[in-house]
Amino acid sequence: AAGVIQSPRHLIKEKRETATLKCYPIPRHDTVYWYQQGPGQDPQFLISFYEKMQSDKGSIPDRFSAQQFSDYHSELNMSSLELGDSALYFCASSFGSGAYTGELFFGEGSRLTVL
Amino acid sequence: DAKTTQPNSMESNEEEPVHLPCNHSTISGTDYIHWYRQLPSQGPEYVIHGLTSNVNNRMASLAIAEDRKSSTLILHRATLRDAAVYYCILRDVSGGSNYKLTFGKGTLLTVNP
Repeated sequence: AAGVIQSPRHLIKEKRETATLKCYPIPRHDTVYWYQQGPGQDPQFLISFYEKMQSDKGSIPDRFSAQQFSDYHSELNMSSLELGDSALYFCASSFGSGAYTGELFFGEGSRLTVL
Repeated sequence: DAKTTQPNSMESNEEEPVHLPCNHSTISGTDYIHWYRQLPSQGPEYVIHGLTSNVNNRMASLAIAEDRKSSTLILHRATLRDAAVYYCILRDVSGGSNYKLTFGKGTLLTVNP
């Protein structure tokens, strides 16, 4: 079965550079969630989109922005990168906000390293 | 969001049952109890969820206390592949589109061969 696809899987950037992460949800899923997981930390919710509209916002820095496109894929844009942005970034998708299925499907993550 | 409390770590032997506890004394009537796990270097993975009644699926069982203030995830026969961090998460579905999962401190399960 198709899973959540994230790209790139690994990314190395310098401080103050910009990075873009992409997420392709499972077909027919209309909700996308972004999470950040620092070294030794638990996943922290950043932002979510339902039917191409922002549905919830967590601890996402102002330097970050995201959107969901007409084909339901999502992109997380990160600017003025800082060393502390080095982390694993997970995207998850669900259908209809997952309220009754209860299940979010996570991708394998994109590892961002800021030097 | 209502909070959950889990042990930092637990240890089990292969092919033995594992009971992972979770306390959620401030749970509300609209909170579903979800369990996810995260294997090393992988994204979180759904395990099971429930509201009031005990639940079983191919991966595990979920036992929910009658007052819903605690629950237990049961792995019937632990394997080495079950070694992971297990997260107990309360998910409020009372309205709106606020259905994100809020991860707290999970339980690191070690399975000994």
